[in-house]
Amino acid sequence: ELKVEQNPLFLSMQEGKNYTIYCNYSTTSDRLYWYRQDPGKSLESLFVLLSNGAVKQEGRLMASLDTKARLSTLHITAAVHDLSATYFCAVDGETSGSRLTFGEGTQLTVNP
Amino acid sequence: GAVVSQHPSWVICKSGTSVKIECRSLDFQATTMFWYRQFPKQSLMLMATSNEGSKATYEQGVEKDKFLINHASLTLSTLTVTSAHPEDSSFYICSADDGLAGRETQYFGPGTRLLVL
Repeated sequence: ELKVEQNPLFLSMQEGKNYTIYCNYSTTSDRLYWYRQDPGKSLESLFVLLSNGAVKQEGRLMASLDTKARLSTLHITAAVHDLSATYFCAVDGETSGSRLTFGEGTQLTVNP
Repeated sequence: GAVVSQHPSWVICKSGTSVKIECRSLDFQATTMFWYRQFPKQSLMLMATSNEGSKATYEQGVEKDKFLINHASLTLSTLTVTSAHPEDSSFYICSADDGLAGRETQYFGPGTRLLVL
């Protein structure tokens, strides 16, 4: 059974600071996704990471994937209040046929 | 870009009634659609995988007779919660896979919030 674990689950940080969210998964995976969810809303796709060593950046967010360590990171640079949301990673296992397994989510609060 | 819609956005119903939720891919054909459920402050849990023209595949622990899924066309999948009870109150989200480009992306709908009284 594929398991996906995120760390931390709750994160409160000040504007301007940097931080990293970690996503570990338990079995070999084809691809890893990062999503953002605002309260009461559905998911917004942030990144799709398809291979070992993949790095993608969009604004203040940068995601990377290490398939050997089964680890993905979402790095936040110089956080701003607008980044406050819950962030999920999700993994599509090799045998899952596009079925995604989600991590628990990291609730990020950026304080002024 | 690919857009997935859900209808309704909100539904409040009495216990014992059935509720149908629609998921539509608006500008692409979805060979596969997925139904997720999210309880407050929790993650998304996959309920079932819906393939056009065939029976849905349910995840372990999901009652197929309670959550009826129909994927009658390449742009529409429906989830019917039969004999709903308060514990079925949740946020239901669908996603659609167009089957192209190596299955890299699922497109998520805006979700349907169900409250069973």
